[in-house]
Amino acid sequence: ILNVEQSPQSLHVQEGDSTNFTCSFPSSNFYALHWYRWETAKSPEALFVMTLNGDEKKKGRISATLNTKEGYSYLYIKGSQPEDSATYLCALVSYNTDKLIFGTGTRLQVFP
Amino acid sequence: DSGVTQTPKHLITATGQRVTLRCSPRSGDLSVYWYQQSLDQGLQFLIQYYNGEERAKGNILERFSAQQFPDLHSELNLSSLELGDSALYFCASSVASAGGTYEQYFGPGTRLTVT
Repeated sequence: ILNVEQSPQSLHVQEGDSTNFTCSFPSSNFYALHWYRWETAKSPEALFVMTLNGDEKKKGRISATLNTKEGYSYLYIKGSQPEDSATYLCALVSYNTDKLIFGTGTRLQVFP
Repeated sequence: DSGVTQTPKHLITATGQRVTLRCSPRSGDLSVYWYQQSLDQGLQFLIQYYNGEERAKGNILERFSAQQFPDLHSELNLSSLELGDSALYFCASSVASAGGTYEQYFGPGTRLTVT
């Protein structure tokens, strides 16, 4: 069974703090990695799709890096704002399949 | 708004019953994916359709079935419902069959409660 691990499970930070969390996966099964942002009472929203080792993506204050050889991706949020409060999900796509295998997410809460 | 629509928003039904959940993908998207999110569980992939054909299957129970119609909307049929089927069911769409490298756009979900 393909396992996607995310850590930490939850995170509480103050407004203005920068933060990061991790997605780990079996490197031998890697094909692509997705990051999604999921606000309470809404649906998951795509942030990034990453495919190459060493890939780095950025969208405003949020960026992500990928290390396929060691099987991890980091998501960084610079200068967290209360509106960044959400669950951040990563999902792995392995070879020979189009299925997204989701991690259980990191729940971020940013306090004003 | 992702452009993916799902109906109904909420559904309450009794054990043993059958329900149909409906999804319309974003304009231009040919792939539709169905996911289930139960309490304390992450998003679980159920099934994918691409341009009317089944493309990939996940942990979908035999009591569940899906199809994608010529107008590309999709339906997920859940039968002989059990209490454990209570969950949030999401539909997502993407432009291509190779969902791995294309982001998926999620609908608002259907919350199913089985009593």
